[in-house]
Amino acid sequence: DTEVTQTPKHLVMGMTNKKSLKCEQHMGHRAMYWYKQKAKKPPELMFVYSYEKLSINESVPSRFSPECPNSSLLNLHLHALQPEDSALYLCASSPRRQGDTQYFGPGTRLTVL
Amino acid sequence: GESVGLHLPTLSVQEGDNSIINCAYSNSASDYFIWYKQESGKGPQFIIDIRSNMDKRQGQRVTVLLNKTVKHLSLQIAATQPGDSAVYFCAENSGGYQKVTFGTGTKLQVIP
Repeated sequence: DTEVTQTPKHLVMGMTNKKSLKCEQHMGHRAMYWYKQKAKKPPELMFVYSYEKLSINESVPSRFSPECPNSSLLNLHLHALQPEDSALYLCASSPRRQGDTQYFGPGTRLTVL
Repeated sequence: GESVGLHLPTLSVQEGDNSIINCAYSNSASDYFIWYKQESGKGPQFIIDIRSNMDKRQGQRVTVLLNKTVKHLSLQIAATQPGDSAVYFCAENSGGYQKVTFGTGTKLQVIP
């Protein structure tokens, strides 16, 4: 298995809703990432987990809450989002060595109403 | 601040011709570079990478060139096909961890 999967593919939520994005990989990678990508822009790093521990938080607002239950799973919990949070949310994984290639999932297209 | 950027936001190429996508980087500490292809509605897909101790690396129909003197990276695609139409991002890793910085992206349009 050489892919990163993400669910759901699309998500529409109101500003008072609570939802979660899920990411899974079975490549034995020990680093996992969340990125946010706005239209026609490059991906922007949000969080990095290494060996199931949060190692980088790029000053992301607390309405985004990441979780790494085990080495294969990564969640992003969403609460009280704003319309400007609408974007493509990408998950990636890598083996966790310096200079590793990151492999991306297809993303979740999030719309906040 | 340090950044990775591209010279051309859109590149139109005739099918069968070669494409060259350029990228300038400013962080001299960067030691690993990656090219990603992103098709509409999909996540970035790894194409090819190169480490700073090399100046050229070839893959299937793709070649990456690294010029550390002028901090320039390029992706060459041979015999461009309609399936190559996508946005191409260069990305850099400046060592120490997996923090990868993406450039602004170039849209490649292949004209049949």
